[in-house]
Amino acid sequence: EAQVTQNPRYLITVTGKKLTVTCSQNMNHEYMSWYRQDPGLGLRQIYYSMNVEATDKGDVPEGYKVSRKEKRNFPLILESPSPNQTSLYFCASSLLVNTEAFFGQGTRLTVV
Amino acid sequence: AQKITQTQPGMFVQEKEAVTLDCTYDTSDPSYGLFWYKQPSSGEMIFLIYQGSYDQQNATEGRYSLNFQKARKSANLVISASQLGDSAMYFCAMTLGHGNNRLAFGKGNQVVVIP
Repeated sequence: EAQVTQNPRYLITVTGKKLTVTCSQNMNHEYMSWYRQDPGLGLRQIYYSMNVEATDKGDVPEGYKVSRKEKRNFPLILESPSPNQTSLYFCASSLLVNTEAFFGQGTRLTVV
Repeated sequence: AQKITQTQPGMFVQEKEAVTLDCTYDTSDPSYGLFWYKQPSSGEMIFLIYQGSYDQQNATEGRYSLNFQKARKSANLVISASQLGDSAMYFCAMTLGHGNNRLAFGKGNQVVVIP
């Protein structure tokens, strides 16, 4: 089954404690990206990746890091989370940027 | 600067009627892509339809059609024959940036279909 898998689905953490949200896709897609969704703001792109070892900033990259060492995986790293990073996060993949994106189930992160 | 604008307040639609969701965008690139996604209350994001800026015909996918008016920079979604399962948040999105590698979403339109 074609899918994008994010883990964990829910996470509560404390300020400053490094965390990683994993994202994996099984469709051999080249384009992957991370979004955060906040009430009234829609989805905002954090980082995207055109292919392995090719990542770039989206609209709201501050406080986040990503890596793309393998085509299927695109983890999101918060080195020192802060409460303003409390949000719903989505990973997505698509063959190209202008093709249908498949989204993960979302990760609800709370930073206290 | 806001690139994608969805300004309609929440909408109530009678079952079996059509509904139009407005989306306007801002770009100076001649080449770009426009999308609509649906997010039901369960939270998942579902692709609905895509329109390329050079596509001559308006995109259609089943009950969904995209009313693309390039000169007006408008990409409205039309849902025909609304069903209860169409109740959701709907997001318009477009590619932008150097090489059109980024994707920007609007703030969404809430639709509630009533029987």
